[in-house]
Amino acid sequence: EVQLVESGGGLVQPGRSLKLSCLASGFTFSNYGMNWIRQAPGKGLEWVASISSSSSYIYYADTVKGRFTISRDNAKNTLYLQMTSLRSEDTALYYCARSVYTTDYYYSDYWGQGVMVTVSS
Amino acid sequence: DIQMTQSPSLLSASVGDRVTLSCKASQNIYKYLNWYQQKLGEAPKLLIYYTNSLQTGIPSRFSGSGSGTDYTLTISSLQPEDVATYFCQQYNSWPLTFGSGTKLEIK
Repeated sequence: EVQLVESGGGLVQPGRSLKLSCLASGFTFSNYGMNWIRQAPGKGLEWVASISSSSSYIYYADTVKGRFTISRDNAKNTLYLQMTSLRSEDTALYYCARSVYTTDYYYSDYWGQGVMVTVSS
Repeated sequence: DIQMTQSPSLLSASVGDRVTLSCKASQNIYKYLNWYQQKLGEAPKLLIYYTNSLQTGIPSRFSGSGSGTDYTLTISSLQPEDVATYFCQQYNSWPLTFGSGTKLEIK
């Protein structure tokens, strides 16, 4: 059974840093790209960052570029999101999601339950 | 960035109704579109990928169609368990972008 379990969230002051983790199980982690997608309270979905299976390709939303870093450790089956210079608008539930991509497909077929990040003084 | 506009934002329908949700892209996305369902308090679930491919395990009452800038998610016979918010998402180009969602209720 595919499982994605996020951790590392919490309450943090503006300008501080936080690192999220997503532990994957039930599939060969090194064969799949991964995404971070967030959802502010009561709002819609916002894509944050994506990383390919071997970390060769990395993409960021403009809203986090230069502040967030996505990475992965395939030996540990873990995806990370290092977040720095946090702002109140980064407050959200952060989901990690497995991505499937081919010439025509790019979709997130499994999602974790999310981890809450609250940025407030 | 490609903007995704969903309509309506709120839809109320009766059990058994045929329901159509719309998603419009700000430019041609060449069918590179996915649909996700999010029930209250849950993570999103993939329903449809590449405009009209049904994800494994999703009931056949769900279907997708469209091309160019205009896309549709159809539920052929609405069931109580379909109450959720539905999001479209394009992957024609980075950044990936989602629509703001259609909240579907039972009348």
